[in-house]
Amino acid sequence: GAVVSQHPSRVICKSGTSVKIECRSLDFQATTMFWYRQFPKQSLMLMATSNEGSKATYEQGVEKDKFLINHASLTLSTLTVTSAHPEDSSFYICSARDQADPQFFGPGTRLTVL
Amino acid sequence: QKEVEQNSGPLSVPEGAIASLNCTYSDRGSQSFFWYRQYSGKSPELIMFIYSNGDKEDGRFTAQLNKASQYVSLLIRDSQPSDSATYLCAVKGGFKTIFGAGTRLFVKA
Repeated sequence: GAVVSQHPSRVICKSGTSVKIECRSLDFQATTMFWYRQFPKQSLMLMATSNEGSKATYEQGVEKDKFLINHASLTLSTLTVTSAHPEDSSFYICSARDQADPQFFGPGTRLTVL
Repeated sequence: QKEVEQNSGPLSVPEGAIASLNCTYSDRGSQSFFWYRQYSGKSPELIMFIYSNGDKEDGRFTAQLNKASQYVSLLIRDSQPSDSATYLCAVKGGFKTIFGAGTRLFVKA
């Protein structure tokens, strides 16, 4: 299958700071990238969908000013959690696909906000 | 609201047995169906996808699709303890892929 990487794999930050997470497709061009959040023992929650060169489409209830998504190239999307708070602590996972399914997931980033 | 339903489990099977995981979906227009495996603390990993009615086999895994009944299943033959994980069913109709909450499988050695 296709390879998607994420960086960093784990980040601990202080409340009020911003954190940037990178998602890269290594061996294919990702027309569409997705950002998910997953709390312990809960299901995946789609946060937003981004298409290269376009503004991201956010799911209902997800604050676009807090979770900034940029998909500037066909291999890179970034998620920036602005002014992070402890309730933002979660497992953030990106996935990507080219023009056809399926979507492939990155390894995830575990964010802890102190 | 389009939905994908899975029994949360845990489904417990002995080593060597067949594990049967089931999924139903509400959108009759759905075209693509996927099974992902997620180990605890890790991200989902694609196991199989199926687009047509019937069975699709890949090694120890068989995906079964019945569009008339809006039902997709995953069979794991000769289950191993390393198969213990949460299995996510995903269904795509139109632009969006909807994930089920997953079924936890436990394979006892």
